[in-house]
Amino acid sequence: NAGVTQTPKFRILKIGQSMTLQCAQDMNHNYMYWYRQDPGMGLKLIYYSVGAGITDKGEVPNGYNVSRSTTEDFPLRLELAAPSQTSVYFCASSHYEGQGAGNEQFFGPGTRLTVL
Amino acid sequence: GQNIDQPTEMTATEGAIVQINCTYQTSGFNGLFWYQQHAGEAPTFLSYNVLDGLEEKGRFSSFLSRSKGYSYLLLKELQMKDSASYLCAVLSYNTDKLIFGTGTRLQVFP
Repeated sequence: NAGVTQTPKFRILKIGQSMTLQCAQDMNHNYMYWYRQDPGMGLKLIYYSVGAGITDKGEVPNGYNVSRSTTEDFPLRLELAAPSQTSVYFCASSHYEGQGAGNEQFFGPGTRLTVL
Repeated sequence: GQNIDQPTEMTATEGAIVQINCTYQTSGFNGLFWYQQHAGEAPTFLSYNVLDGLEEKGRFSSFLSRSKGYSYLLLKELQMKDSASYLCAVLSYNTDKLIFGTGTRLQVFP
């Protein structure tokens, strides 16, 4: 199993450009997540999905969009890139087993995005 | 709302023991996670506590007190490779989301 994969690993964007960060998992996990991590900070949840066709906002959704057409893929779209979106983006997945269960999240390697 | 506090930085010596504390406030507590994150890498799962008490896993142990909103991660026989950030995260069944603290950067010196 490859686990959680993300592409690209690095990207530089100009202000106003758009791009899609790709995320895929091969563990048949129902839950998937997008986080951003700014230098010296913890992870902030952007969007998450509890299954194909279902997405919901996290703490910092503004400026981003997601879709979940399949169980495996969860792309993150930036429509009009801004310098404030310079960050490291992590995708994660988990198999939700209910309350009180581990529900461990597995993370991809991250995408380092710089907006100039 | 939810709030998680942990120290920003800690230092320790190789072979020693270090305890990283985490305090939290949340509604609908459904478990606390500890993740390890080496610089430039993704977080990796260390431990999960949902009931009070100590969970031991090799050199690492994690403790939880739900009544005090408190957890700690205990690292024994420290090695240089343990130099990393340690993230405390709380799961709320009200929101079904993990909320992360800002992380504790641990530096282990020879």
